[in-house]
Parts: sequence; C-alpha cells; structure tokens
Amino acid sequence: NAGVTQTPKFQVLKTGQSMTLQCAQDMNHEYMSWYRQDPGMGLRLIHYSVGAGITDQGEVPNGYNVSRSTTEDFPLRLLSAAPSQTSVYFCASRLGRGNNYGYTFGSGTRLTVV
Amino acid sequence: AQSVTQLDSQVPVFEEAPVELRCNYSSSVSVYLFWYVQYPNQGLQLLLKYLSGSTLVKGINGFEAEFNKSQTSFHLRKPSVHISDTAEYFCAVSDGGRIQGAQKLVFGQGTRLTINP
Repeated sequence: NAGVTQTPKFQVLKTGQSMTLQCAQDMNHEYMSWYRQDPGMGLRLIHYSVGAGITDQGEVPNGYNVSRSTTEDFPLRLLSAAPSQTSVYFCASRLGRGNNYGYTFGSGTRLTVV
Repeated sequence: AQSVTQLDSQVPVFEEAPVELRCNYSSSVSVYLFWYVQYPNQGLQLLLKYLSGSTLVKGINGFEAEFNKSQTSFHLRKPSVHISDTAEYFCAVSDGGRIQGAQKLVFGQGTRLTINP
C-alpha cells in the first residue's frame, strides 16, 4: 500500500546511544518532515526537507540530524540519546512545498531513552 | 512566526450531543488553517482545511469549522457526536520557512475529545 513507512515502531535506548529512525514514502512526495509528539505540547517540527540534498531546521532541531539523499527516504539520526528525547516521532510527507497539499503521516515510532 | 492556541486540553461530551473545539491563531495578513484528528495509536489524518474563500469549511465525518478573521479563530464543530469520534484533535497553521516556497505546519497543543454513552 502506498504511504509513509516508519521503522522501528518501538525502541528503547540507553542514554548516550545513537540510532536512526527510518522514514520511507513511495508517493514521489517532494516534502518530508519529522515531528515529535509530547503530552500537552502537540506536535513540534524537528527538521524538514523539500528534496534530495535540501533540508532545514524546525522548531526543535537540537540533538537530531537529517539528510536526504533520495526522494523516498528521510532518516532521522539521534546522535547521543538523552531522556528528554523520549517521545513519539512522526514522519509526514506531502506532494509539494505548499500547505495546500495534504500531509500523509506515518504511524509513528515510540522511543524511550533510559 | 505563526502559532495556534487550543483553548481546551480535554472536552468530555455525551453521545449525540453537539461539540465545539476551540482554536485561536496568531494574526497575519493571510493564513492557512487546518484541523487534524489522531485516533489512538495512529498517525494524524486531515479533517478539513481553510485556504481561502468561504469561511465555513466542511470536512470528513460530519465536522465543519468556521474561519473568523475578526476574532482570529477557527473553531471545529459537529452537531451530533458518536463514540467513534473519541480521539485527539489538533489545530494547525501554515508558516513560512527559510527555504523558498516551503511552508511548515505548526500544531496546537491538542484537544482530547471523549464521548460518553
């Protein structure tokens, strides 16, 4: 089925470990983004991309890296995990740069840092 | 930068009763507004959006929202709710980024709607 695929669905990390959250879409969407969701804070934008090699920071980029080498994939890297990064992470994509295009969300990755 | 404020963190209502979920946005010359719904353990789905034109916007599942420029509000309404409407609802506004033409989506804090039988 076409859509946004996130892996893994669940992950537990120890403080200081690094890992990569994977996001892939098969809809040829130009725009891809990563959000984190925390109780009472809604969704906050971490990083976004408008195409291969073009990325920008969102509202809460510290502690996260991204790169986009293909249209399909937009991985999110945690460099040195901290308990404050315990959250649910969502990847979302849309066809173009403008918000007149609707988002497609992945089902999320629940990350716990101990 | 654009922002939205959802005025209620939780809204409990009885089944078949009407509901209004409130959202206020920061003022701007032009604004794109959205409502998304998140069912338990799922990603978000678009309910409706206001880009321009009629101030009353109809969405999926019987929801509608009214854009009110003078009050900078975009409240979500449904005349009669069902148990299946239990979910978290997010108001969102479009905001510009540093990349030309790229529009980010800024979300509110969310409102948890609970439907009681």
